Amino acid sequence: NAGVTQTPKFQVLKTGQSMTLQCAQDMNHEYMSWYRQDPGMGLRLIHYSVGAGITDQGEVPNGYNVSRSTTEDFPLRLLSAAPSQTSVYFCASSLWLAAYNEQFFGPGTRLTVL
Amino acid sequence: AQSVTQPDIHITVSEGASLELRCNYSYGATPYLFWYVQSPGQGLQLLLKYFSGDTLVQGIKGFEAEFKRSQSSFNLRKPSVHWSDAAEYFCAVGALENTGNQFYFGTGTSLTVIP
Repeated sequence: NAGVTQTPKFQVLKTGQSMTLQCAQDMNHEYMSWYRQDPGMGLRLIHYSVGAGITDQGEVPNGYNVSRSTTEDFPLRLLSAAPSQTSVYFCASSLWLAAYNEQFFGPGTRLTVL
Repeated sequence: AQSVTQPDIHITVSEGASLELRCNYSYGATPYLFWYVQSPGQGLQLLLKYFSGDTLVQGIKGFEAEFKRSQSSFNLRKPSVHWSDAAEYFCAVGALENTGNQFYFGTGTSLTVIP
């Protein structure tokens, strides 16, 4: 199993550009989520999905869109990039959404918005 | 709101020395507690977790953590640190709230190991 994979690993955007961060998992997990990691702030939840066709907002959803057309894939779209979105983005998955379930994380995407 | 506090932003220890990373949480009931490690350039990996029962839990790579309800703490320990333990460590809480299942992460503790 590849686990949770993310592409790209690094990305530089100009303000106003759009892009999609890809996330895929091969563990047949129902729950998938996106976090951003900023210095001194830990991980903050952007969006999450409890299954194909179902998504919901997390703590910091503004400026981001998601969709979940398959169990395996959960892309994150930046609609119009802003410097405040410079961050490291992690995709995570778990069997289902439950407070006791371990989350499996991808290697992250480091995004810089100029 | 629930919260997770890791009071130490950065810790430096000598190789072979013991280690304790602190974690305090705020939650009304007994939460599900996790420690994750993030090696440079990598995603987070689970070290150990506590759900119930024995308050001392063992994890991978020789780590252990002790749940102390009276102190709302879940500190991570290792008797003898190796250079490869240099990484960032995150404490996390899983909580069942009125709004559903939620996860809260601490801000992390960066560990440097000196030879």
